[in-house]
Amino acid sequence: AQSVSQHNHHVILSEAASLELGCNYSYGGTVNLFWYVQYPGQHLQLLLKYFSGDPLVKGIKGFEAEFIKSKFSFNLRKPSVQWSDTAEYFCAVNIPKGGADGLTFGKGTHLIIQP
Amino acid sequence: GAVVSQHPSWVICKSGTSVKIECRSLDFQATTMFWYRQFPKQSLMLMATSNEGSKATYEQGVEKDKFLINHASLTLSTLTVTSAHPEDSSFYICSARIQGNSPLHFGNGTRLTVT
Repeated sequence: AQSVSQHNHHVILSEAASLELGCNYSYGGTVNLFWYVQYPGQHLQLLLKYFSGDPLVKGIKGFEAEFIKSKFSFNLRKPSVQWSDTAEYFCAVNIPKGGADGLTFGKGTHLIIQP
Repeated sequence: GAVVSQHPSWVICKSGTSVKIECRSLDFQATTMFWYRQFPKQSLMLMATSNEGSKATYEQGVEKDKFLINHASLTLSTLTVTSAHPEDSSFYICSARIQGNSPLHFGNGTRLTVT
């Protein structure tokens, strides 16, 4: 079965700092990769996704992620964070078997941006 | 945008009783809904995949007789925790998609506390 590992459970940054959240998955075949974000008091929402094509994926709010197949990684980046980026970030993977498969999530990273 | 409503948002029940959690897609028809569970400081774990009009597919280790899932229509799936025990206390969240690889839309989750 596939698994997802997020390296940092808690990250604290100052505004304008650069962000990189690590995500590695374990599965040898083709995968779909996602980053979800949960802002305080809100529901999970999709930040960006990778299915195929350009491994550098751009999402909402200035976030991007790069799929490196050789490293089984899909790290999330943002050049300059804002206080409003404070949230819980989840990396997730599913296997495109042709059916509607659920996601396997990482444990999440709690990001706190200090003004 | 697509909205998934989950009810109740929190519930406290006594050990031995059953609790039903509803997941509704408000403005779209969801061919597939997913149920997840999150223990404190752990990742969301997929419990089961619910397809309208058919039996749910449970993940390994999830007791199907304890966690009853009914997907009676394209807009409603229910999760019933039967004979709840304190170890069932957790955060349960549902998600839904229209079809295929379309994005998942999450409900706000239900905090279940069994006393």
